[in-house]
Amino acid sequence: QLQLQESGPGLVKPSETLSLTCTVSGGPISSDTYSWGWIRQPPGKGLEWIGSIHYGGRTYYNPSLRSRVTISVDTSKNQFSLKVSSVTAADTSVYYCARHARYGAATKFDYWGQGTLVTVSS
Amino acid sequence: QSVLTQPPSMSAAPGQKVTISCSGSSSNIENNFVSWYQQLPGTAPKLLIYEDNKRPSGIPDRFSGSKSGTSATLGITGLQTGDEADYYCGSWDSSLSTYVFGTGTKVTVL
Repeated sequence: QLQLQESGPGLVKPSETLSLTCTVSGGPISSDTYSWGWIRQPPGKGLEWIGSIHYGGRTYYNPSLRSRVTISVDTSKNQFSLKVSSVTAADTSVYYCARHARYGAATKFDYWGQGTLVTVSS
Repeated sequence: QSVLTQPPSMSAAPGQKVTISCSGSSSNIENNFVSWYQQLPGTAPKLLIYEDNKRPSGIPDRFSGSKSGTSATLGITGLQTGDEADYYCGSWDSSLSTYVFGTGTKVTVL
């Protein structure tokens, strides 16, 4: 059974960079069929897709966050990572990693991590 | 502000049926497949429906999806207390070049 687990600091200061890692177990991250994505959810609010990466390195980002977001992959560790720069209180959210299947006109996030709360505060 | 609009809340008695709407446009729902996600309190979202009307393995057939034009619908029959959750639709938006989630619907079982 595929499992994803987020890890990283739960508290980040304003203007600094948020960094999270997602470790994938139970299957290889090096799959032609799937990409690997990040989604966030501010407390009490809805879901927002941040971006995704294919193991070959191709990335695609939400245009509203593109200027501040970097997603990378480390196939040797079966991990992928998220960096969000110049964070503000508005970036306070639960951050989820998920497996992202995109084929033709179809997109789905079919496996999710449990999520990790990141608070931006001084 | 999401481009996919859902009713904020719906409620029904156990055993009854609820239908949740998801309204979008030609750049998302009409020309791309829709997925639905269930988020139980305090947990991560879970894929419920993909490609408009397909259920992943393990999802009971009480859950169904449909689509017509720029709107999609999630149906839940035989409502159970364990179905109390937030439900989100989602679709790729070809104009925005981004995946968009709906505003979310909180389902309460009376």
